[in-house]
Amino acid sequence: QKEVEQNSGPLSVPEGAIASLNCTYSDRGSQSFFWYRQYSGKSPELIMSIYSNGDKEDGRFTAQLNKASQYVSLLIRDSQPSDSANYLCAVTPYGNNRLAFGKGNQVVVIP
Amino acid sequence: EPEVTQTPSHQVTQMGQEVILRCVPISNHLYFYWYRQILGQKVEFLVSFYNNEISEKSEIFDDQFSVERPDGSNFTLKIRSTKLEDSAMYFCASGEEGMETQYFGPGTRLLVL
Repeated sequence: QKEVEQNSGPLSVPEGAIASLNCTYSDRGSQSFFWYRQYSGKSPELIMSIYSNGDKEDGRFTAQLNKASQYVSLLIRDSQPSDSANYLCAVTPYGNNRLAFGKGNQVVVIP
Repeated sequence: EPEVTQTPSHQVTQMGQEVILRCVPISNHLYFYWYRQILGQKVEFLVSFYNNEISEKSEIFDDQFSVERPDGSNFTLKIRSTKLEDSAMYFCASGEEGMETQYFGPGTRLLVL
């Protein structure tokens, strides 16, 4: 079982719409959860961190965490063409300080 | 805003040669990391470093790899004898004491021929 799974294929959304991304993780003891954005050929850029169950909002981004179901999601409201990127879910497994990454969800915002 | 820097941005080397990738973490950070990303694949953890020693390493980080903090600002990754499969983007990251957030540098693209 992969540590972090992001199974959705590329997501195309019209400009101004909501993009919804999901991620599941295998280590029930994981404590810290992150969403990074990665443009092609660039490094991961932190968007959100979330540590407790529920929602966390930052501007147009909302992260949701459900530890019982072991999933993390990211909502992007009012999507802009500049949001077109690969979105990486990352988790800190229990007892570690490394990040375990999923493969990412490619988002394309269509003007 | 403080950021992690990495040099060189690109490196081309011959198989079997040694390479050293350099990183300058954010100045007040105490945790340092190396990750790599093979083209089209996910970001993979290599090693973490704290208090002048390796705190964790992955299966990828074998005897061909080493890390060093030679002075108060630099953090290096050395690959002793490069292989074709070492071709990847290598990212350095750093984090503050007590915080799990990691900030990534721009990366070094390594191509082994």
